[in-house]
Amino acid sequence: GAVVSQHPSRVICKSGTSVKIECRSLDFQATTMFWYRQFPKQSLMLMATSNEGSKATYEQGVEKDKFLINHASLTLSTLTVTSAHPEDSSFYICSIPGQGAYEQYFGPGTRLTVT
Amino acid sequence: DAKTTQPTSMDCAEGRAANLPCNHSTISGNEYVYWYRQIHSQGPQYIIHGLKNNETNEMASLIITEDRKSSTLILPHATLRDTAVYYCIVRVGTSGTYKYIFGTGTRLKVLA
Repeated sequence: GAVVSQHPSRVICKSGTSVKIECRSLDFQATTMFWYRQFPKQSLMLMATSNEGSKATYEQGVEKDKFLINHASLTLSTLTVTSAHPEDSSFYICSIPGQGAYEQYFGPGTRLTVT
Repeated sequence: DAKTTQPTSMDCAEGRAANLPCNHSTISGNEYVYWYRQIHSQGPQYIIHGLKNNETNEMASLIITEDRKSSTLILPHATLRDTAVYYCIVRVGTSGTYKYIFGTGTRLKVLA
C-alpha cells in the first residue's frame, strides 16, 4: 500500500497566487522529507530537505522565500509556492527515507499549472 | 551535478532480458547505487540498490563492476508494464544528511 500521500494531485492556479502542497507519511514517522521538482521530459531535481522542528535545507539555486517549507509534524510536510508564475508549473514530488534509510519512498506527485 | 550517465532510451522485446547500463565513474567508496523507475506522471518506484556486491531481488538484478565505476540493471523477463524511465542514482552525503542526485534516466520501451 501507499506509504506517502500528496494533496492535491493536481492544481491549477492563477499567476500571482500562492498554492500549498501537502506531503504525508502514512506508515511511519519521518523526521526528514525531501521535495523534488520535475519539468516535462526531465529528471527529478532535489529542491530542499524538510526537517521536522527546524528549518529546511535548500539546494543551491532554490529560493527559500518563494518555496516555503513547513515540517509541522512527524507525518506532514508542506510546500507553499508563493506568488506563482507560469514557469513554476511543474510536477512536485515528495519522498521520505525508508525505515533503514536505504531507500526513499516517493509520493504520487502534484501537478501544478500556473495560468 | 548528476553523478551518473545513462543512455537516453532503449527498446526491449517482451519476454527478453532488459539490460540497462549506468556509468558512475566518480562514485566514492561509501556511496551506494540505487535504481528507481518512474511510470508516466507517477512518483518513482524503488527497484534495487547496492554498494559493491551484485544484488538480486524479486524485481531485478544489479551487477556492479569491481571498480564500481559502472553498473547494469537487469530485468530478466521484461513485460509491457516495465515500460518506464529508469533512473540510476548515487546517494551522497553522510548519515543524517543523505540525498539522491538523479541522472537523466533511460526511457525503456518494452515492445510486444
